[in-house]
Amino acid sequence: GAVVSQHPSWVICKSGTSVKIECRSLDFQATTMFWYRQFPKQSLMLMATSNEGSKATYEQGVEKDKFLINHASLTLSTLTVTSAHPEDSSFYICSGTVGLGYGYTFGSGTRLTVV
Amino acid sequence: GQQLNQSPQSMFIQEGEDVSMNCTSSSIFNTWLWYKQEPGEGPVLLIALYKAGELTSNGRLTAQFGITRKDSFLNISASIPSDVGIYFCAGRETSGSRLTFGEGTQLTVNP
Repeated sequence: GAVVSQHPSWVICKSGTSVKIECRSLDFQATTMFWYRQFPKQSLMLMATSNEGSKATYEQGVEKDKFLINHASLTLSTLTVTSAHPEDSSFYICSGTVGLGYGYTFGSGTRLTVV
Repeated sequence: GQQLNQSPQSMFIQEGEDVSMNCTSSSIFNTWLWYKQEPGEGPVLLIALYKAGELTSNGRLTAQFGITRKDSFLNISASIPSDVGIYFCAGRETSGSRLTFGEGTQLTVNP
């Protein structure tokens, strides 16, 4: 079945530094990649939607200059948290899909801790 | 973003019991999905529903797409300890590809 490989699975960084999270679709071409953030004991909240080769569409309240998304190829999308602060500590999850009417495959998530 | 109303929020049951959870929305969805998430992992798809009224099973799991297209339920029969986790419903509206997630149901199964 479809697999999305997400790395790293966890990362600890100092406040003010940037962190990059990668998601690769291993056996399918993800025309669309979604990025979610999940706080403890809460649901997944969509941050942004990116289509290959296009600029990402951010949800209301998500700072596009802080959460940089790149989807330059059909198999790789990255999320960079710039100038991270402790309040950015969360579980970040990506999800890829081939297109409308097809399934959504989730990565295994990245636990980001900013100290 | 919009949230689905998912209930119950948590369930504590004995092994062998049946479980039922549901989601309702004010919007019409053309796809309902049910996921299970374990600690530190991403959601894993359990059942996908694409047509109103559709009833689909996956082993001990059964889910239905409500006729009004605004609700869905998931049943787990004869629960076992490995059913422990958080179950999420997710819906896709008629336009676009983004999913909206329910708040989740935390399931605890006592052996």
